[in-house]
Amino acid sequence: GIQVEQSPPDLILQEGANSTLRCNFSDSVNNLQWFHQNPWGQLINLFYIPSGTKQNGRLSATTVATERYSLLYISSSQTTDSGVYFCAVEERGTSYGKLTFGQGTILTVHP
Amino acid sequence: GAGVSQTPSNKVTEKGKYVELRCDPISGHTALYWYRQSLGQGPEFLIYFQGTGAADDSGLPNDRFFAVRPEGSVSTLKIQRTERGDSAVYLCASSPKRKNTGELFFGEGSRLTVL
Repeated sequence: GIQVEQSPPDLILQEGANSTLRCNFSDSVNNLQWFHQNPWGQLINLFYIPSGTKQNGRLSATTVATERYSLLYISSSQTTDSGVYFCAVEERGTSYGKLTFGQGTILTVHP
Repeated sequence: GAGVSQTPSNKVTEKGKYVELRCDPISGHTALYWYRQSLGQGPEFLIYFQGTGAADDSGLPNDRFFAVRPEGSVSTLKIQRTERGDSAVYLCASSPKRKNTGELFFGEGSRLTVL
């Protein structure tokens, strides 16, 4: 099956700093989503981005499908950005919505 | 509410007992999924329903796990003869399954602890 690797595994920032999270995947995908899992365990949709670039406020994401990676940018980080960020992909040829998740990046933002 | 609803939020049971976990998807979403998340890991796929039928149950770990969606809306995940290794957060997600909007929306999960 497809492999999904996220880096870095852990990231500690001061409030106001910028960061880039990376997701590499080993095969072609139909779907790629970025999620934020808050301290209460809720998975919050950030981006549905199988290709291209999207922006939502302080967050933006870029997926280069031909090179099999995606990047999540967080600008002017806030303490509420803390939590685990997951990249998840739907491998081409598998069932619709059958996502394979990476191990996540644990982000801690200090005031 | 408008999101995916899961009950119970927490369930503590003893080894060998039977448990049921319920998921109420977003209204109008035809696709429903169950995932399982162990501590420190990303969620792992269990089963996918399109309407009433299980379109893909390849992620169910063994025959103690079973899920139903009899009317194409609410789904129940059933675990027989629970084992300590079944302890995890069970996440339900739904999707509208429309072209170019195939994203999944997750509920808050049911945390299962098997003693």
